[in-house]
Amino acid sequence: NAGVMQNPRHLVRRRGQEARLRCSPMKGHSHVYWYRQLPEEGLKFMVYLQKENIIDESGMPKERFSAEFPKEGPSILRIQQVVRGDSAAYFCASSPLGGPYEQYFGPGTRLTVT
Amino acid sequence: QKEVEQDPGPLSVPEGAIVSLNCTYSNSAFQYFMWYRQYSRKGPELLMYTYSSGNKEDGRFTAQVDKSSKYISLFIRDSQPSDSATYLCAMEGDNFNKFYFGSGTKLNVKP
Repeated sequence: NAGVMQNPRHLVRRRGQEARLRCSPMKGHSHVYWYRQLPEEGLKFMVYLQKENIIDESGMPKERFSAEFPKEGPSILRIQQVVRGDSAAYFCASSPLGGPYEQYFGPGTRLTVT
Repeated sequence: QKEVEQDPGPLSVPEGAIVSLNCTYSNSAFQYFMWYRQYSRKGPELLMYTYSSGNKEDGRFTAQVDKSSKYISLFIRDSQPSDSATYLCAMEGDNFNKFYFGSGTKLNVKP
């Protein structure tokens, strides 16, 4: 029973490079959410996607950040020209129907920008 | 003002104690209330969810929602060292798109 998978688990990037974070939802789940967690802080909503659609990206910075969830393959969160302030843990969660009470989280990707 | 406020702790209790964790919120539109447990360097794990006001019990865990006071609680009975983790409250109400999390309360149960 594979849960939500995220890779890589740890990612180190220099300032100005691109970071690509991948999320494979649980089998049968077609809704994906991305969150960012800074140290000692709660999760901050970034974006909500369904297959081939961005439903709500109101929590995502307008510049440098983008997300997709193609028909085939994992969801991707892409951060261009990373800065030190992007260092955080990024979690994705998947849901079968979009209900908030059935979100299952992955183990997260810890991004460090040097 | 933050949408959801949660005391960061840390909260340290002896094994077997009853633990009370709380969150307050400002948006009266919130209707679904969730509690997550997060172990260090792991993803959050859903413990319980409730809809609107009332109580819900699951084993040693009880969730309470008081919408009139905009206050939710999670009680843990007979706490165990394995309960040591950060507990996050979360809520949703406007639609199913956006969820608001508290900053988490760190709990330490001493054997």
